[in-house]
Amino acid sequence: EPEVTQTPSHQVTQMGQEVILRCVPISNHLYFYWYRQILGQKVEFLVSFYNNEISEKSEIFDDQFSVERPDGSNFTLKIRSTKLEDSAMYFCASSENRAGEQYFGPGTRLTVT
Amino acid sequence: GESVGLHLPTLSVQEGDNSIINCAYSNSASDYFIWYKQESGKGPQFIIDIRSNMDKRQGQRVTVLLNKTVKHLSLQIAATQPGDSAVYFCAEKGNYGGSQGNLIFGKGTKLSVKP
Repeated sequence: EPEVTQTPSHQVTQMGQEVILRCVPISNHLYFYWYRQILGQKVEFLVSFYNNEISEKSEIFDDQFSVERPDGSNFTLKIRSTKLEDSAMYFCASSENRAGEQYFGPGTRLTVT
Repeated sequence: GESVGLHLPTLSVQEGDNSIINCAYSNSASDYFIWYKQESGKGPQFIIDIRSNMDKRQGQRVTVLLNKTVKHLSLQIAATQPGDSAVYFCAEKGNYGGSQGNLIFGKGTKLSVKP
């Protein structure tokens, strides 16, 4: 069964450093998403991406965040200058169409020290 | 002081019993609702969904009920098994205000199944 994959599974970085989280969505999906989950809290929407541009973003997704689809398979989330409060699980998801079921990857645990 | 969000509601059931997990959603314009299961260290996994033109939908061992009047969603799991132990999230998606369909998750309920 096709699945969303994410790398790395755990990323430790120092405050102020840039990180790039990587995702490979399901191959025939057209809509891509990033969500985050701070430990013990609910999953929060960050950004959606379609047709090589951001469709929607939340207030969490400020100028420190950016997304990119550098090639036909990868979808990345970049945090330019990480803060302690960026520590969370980051989930990538993809769907075939806007109304379709979103399939989530296993997540990347980001720890900012 | 209390840390909001660090203490999930917990439902503890005996193996073989039925479980009912409840969720209140926020936006009356939401037209699509989903239940996700999240096991420790994993991403949310789709369980079942329901559209706003329905009030009940059944899957394998699971049933979702939607009450739009009071903006309430429930997930019923029949004959709960130890493998059902996880955190369960409801999520809503609305086709309103130019939204491209991002999910809005609820706080989650931790289901613990005793053998």
